[in-house]
Amino acid sequence: AIQMTQSPSSLSASVGDRVTITCRASQGIRNDLGWYQQKPGKAPELLIYVASTLQSGVPSRFSGSGSGTDFTLTISSLQPEDFATYYCLQDYDYPLTFGGGTKVEIK
Amino acid sequence: QVQLQESGPGLVKPSETLSLTCTVSGGSISTYYWTWIRQPPGKGLEWIGYIYYSGSTNYNPSLKSRVTISVDTAKNQFSLRLSSVTAADTAIYYCVRRVAVRGFYGFDIWGQGTMVTVSS
Repeated sequence: AIQMTQSPSSLSASVGDRVTITCRASQGIRNDLGWYQQKPGKAPELLIYVASTLQSGVPSRFSGSGSGTDFTLTISSLQPEDFATYYCLQDYDYPLTFGGGTKVEIK
Repeated sequence: QVQLQESGPGLVKPSETLSLTCTVSGGSISTYYWTWIRQPPGKGLEWIGYIYYSGSTNYNPSLKSRVTISVDTAKNQFSLRLSSVTAADTAIYYCVRRVAVRGFYGFDIWGQGTMVTVSS
């Protein structure tokens, strides 16, 4: 199975900060990567698919980049509602696998 | 809009079979990949498997020997059965719609999740 390694596992940042989360695949996955946001007590929500395409309704402060094995989720200006855990998911090969998650805390 | 709702027992005894159903409302179950994902308390997400509306399935090898996903298109439902459960199967179980078309791959609609505890 393809291993997805996310970093950092947690971070603390202030409102307005630029935040970057990385995800590394154990083998090349083209751009078959999605990012999901999960708020406490809620189901995850799709933010970005095929590495860089914003899902409908997602604020433009979220962006994704990368291809092959290395991917990045960026929040350009952190807002209080962005407190959440973020997961990457490789959609390239079965079994589909998630990264371990990055918990974003607001300072 | 399409909504998913999980239903089933919240408590299952060790060695027994966990059974959950997901009801799809607001749209047809035809097309798309209907998926189960679980999340142990305080931990990350694990893909369990999917069923296509035609009936074809794909399971996580880590669970394959114990998992069955089925679909009932007449009722707009799909179901999960996980046999021989242990405490390690305690988790929130989500039913999820997966889109897999050219240029769009992702889990775009999620149920609210249902907590299943394995305990005697």
